[in-house]
Amino acid sequence: AQTVTQSQPEMSVQEAETVTLSCTYDTSESDYYLFWYKQPPSRQMILVIRQEAYKQQNATENRFSVNFQKAAKSFSLKISDSQLGDAAMYFCAVQDRDDKIIFGKGTRLHILP
Amino acid sequence: EPEVTQTPSHQVTQMGQEVILRCVPISNHLYFYWYRQILGQKVEFLVSFYNNEISEKSEIFDDQFSVERPDGSNFTLKIRSTKLEDSAMYFCASSVGGSYSPLHFGNGTRLTVT
Repeated sequence: AQTVTQSQPEMSVQEAETVTLSCTYDTSESDYYLFWYKQPPSRQMILVIRQEAYKQQNATENRFSVNFQKAAKSFSLKISDSQLGDAAMYFCAVQDRDDKIIFGKGTRLHILP
Repeated sequence: EPEVTQTPSHQVTQMGQEVILRCVPISNHLYFYWYRQILGQKVEFLVSFYNNEISEKSEIFDDQFSVERPDGSNFTLKIRSTKLEDSAMYFCASSVGGSYSPLHFGNGTRLTVT
């Protein structure tokens, strides 16, 4: 069974600083996708970044980047130059080729002005 | 650890039929949600439910959709007349509190409309 673990229920970072949210996962699949979703108070789900497991290069999307360590089954999210609008819950998720998707419990990120 | 459970894991239905997706949230949770993911696309919010009424719904959640908490344990999503484009994974989630309270997801129901 797939599992996703986000070990940090809450984190804080000073505005303009860099923060890293951790995520580890377990899957028996060799081919899968990894995601980070941002969830504001409205409970919408905003896709932040997507990584295909067969790609070694870490995905980046503007100020957001990941550190994907396939052997360690680690998929951390780095947010550079943190902004007040980055405050939200962040969910890590893994999805296999059958489209089964498992979410972590989330990390609440606070941005300190 | 308590879990959100969804049944069935896979539902196949014919276009135009009504379908009910069932969820049992964690017992002391008060806020309930449905999300969906059309295959290959991102997860989308459908609706949130608190105190026996809808708190918020997205544009996707039109008159074909309804939610209900028929008893103290189940939380259902009904699609009145399914369309091909309703084929997706549907996720139920629950939380103790509102915004920023940890969200617990079920494993999803894959709906296939033929």
